[in-house]
Amino acid sequence: SQKIEQNSEALNIQEGKTATLTCNYTNYSPAYLQWYRQDPGRGPVFLLLIRENEKEKRKERLKVTFDTTLKQSLFHITASQPADSATYLCALDEWTGNQFYFGTGTSLTVIP
Amino acid sequence: DSGVTQTPKHLITATGQRVTLRCSPRSGDLSVYWYQQSLDQGLQFLIQYYNGEERAKGNILERFSAQQFPDLHSELNLSSLELGDSALYFCASSVGTSGRDGELFFGEGSRLTVL
Repeated sequence: SQKIEQNSEALNIQEGKTATLTCNYTNYSPAYLQWYRQDPGRGPVFLLLIRENEKEKRKERLKVTFDTTLKQSLFHITASQPADSATYLCALDEWTGNQFYFGTGTSLTVIP
Repeated sequence: DSGVTQTPKHLITATGQRVTLRCSPRSGDLSVYWYQQSLDQGLQFLIQYYNGEERAKGNILERFSAQQFPDLHSELNLSSLELGDSALYFCASSVGTSGRDGELFFGEGSRLTVL
């Protein structure tokens, strides 16, 4: 069955450091992958989309990589700030592009 | 503000009852998605509609049903409610037929508590 795994443990890092979050998937061949941020009790908010033919994508302090051979995406937040504290979700589609699945998310806390 | 409106924000009901959750998508978006989020689980895909037609079905229970109306708003009906149905229910919308066309915009959710 399809499976999307993110860092199961919460991630705590010091302000100013780079946070790296992992998204691994099995039994998918997604054409793209998306990352979202979710604050407690709120709906997820879109951050970045990366397609299978793109190795890396950047947006301000965010960087996403997509390795279809390893079936993995890495999400980096550089110069992290306490305001970056949230749960980060990766999402991708199954092969028909119809069902859009989310990982369980990684909780990030940036310590001042 | 994502532009997606969900009502009600909070709902408390008893086991065995039936509730309806409502979602108005962003202006211009034709796709509506429903997700369930429990404390110990991530976002579980339930169902997707595109321009009034069911497009994809996920892990939606037979006790749950949904529809998208001509004005593109959608309703999720949950019946014979059980304690385990207590969760946050999110609606999301997108322009195209799937997330590969671009991002999903999420509402703030409807928190359902079944007592």
